[in-house]
Amino acid sequence: SQQGEEDPQALSIQEGENATMNCSYKTSINNLQWYRQNSGRGLVHLILIRSNEREKHSGRLRVTLDTSKKSSSLLITASRAADTASYFCATDPMNRDDKIIFGKGTRLHILP
Amino acid sequence: SAVISQKPSRDICQRGTSLTIQCQVDSQVTMMFWYRQQPGQSLTLIATANQGSEATYESGFVIDKFPISRPNLTFSTLTVSNMSPEDSSIYLCSVGPGFTDTQYFGPGTRLTVL
Repeated sequence: SQQGEEDPQALSIQEGENATMNCSYKTSINNLQWYRQNSGRGLVHLILIRSNEREKHSGRLRVTLDTSKKSSSLLITASRAADTASYFCATDPMNRDDKIIFGKGTRLHILP
Repeated sequence: SAVISQKPSRDICQRGTSLTIQCQVDSQVTMMFWYRQQPGQSLTLIATANQGSEATYESGFVIDKFPISRPNLTFSTLTVSNMSPEDSSIYLCSVGPGFTDTQYFGPGTRLTVL
């Protein structure tokens, strides 16, 4: 299937450390988006990176995209307790109009 | 960006009953999406609802079970019919200007079926 796969499934780090999550996908995409979900609530959009972009920054977030490897990474620097959440990547495949497909997510836990 | 609200935020329902979830957007949008997130799982697209046409359902989802209304460009409803405990999930509506741009999500409706 086209579904993205996040890696790792779960991650616990100390507050202040950097957290890196990876996403792999299977077919060509138009763009890839990262979302955060706090404890079963709605999703918050973090970053959209287009297929012709390699890196984007937003505050403490850095997203990279390697279309040759069909993978993306989300880096959160100087993590905070409030970053504890599930993070999902979502891909917009070139061959499926108007529908984005979500990965299974990474559960990030920031330890005090 | 779009601000999306959903009602109810949560509900506990009895088996065999139906629940209608409302989604309100603060701007006119062409496409609205309904997702389901089962406990501990990722999001699964149920259907795409365009104003003025029938909703398009994904594989595994049917109109009789999840009827959708889209009466105008700012509102949609999803009904979960004849509920069973397997329908216990978070249901989220989402809007997006198109597949090349950001999708925004509502806060979700947490449904528990007893």
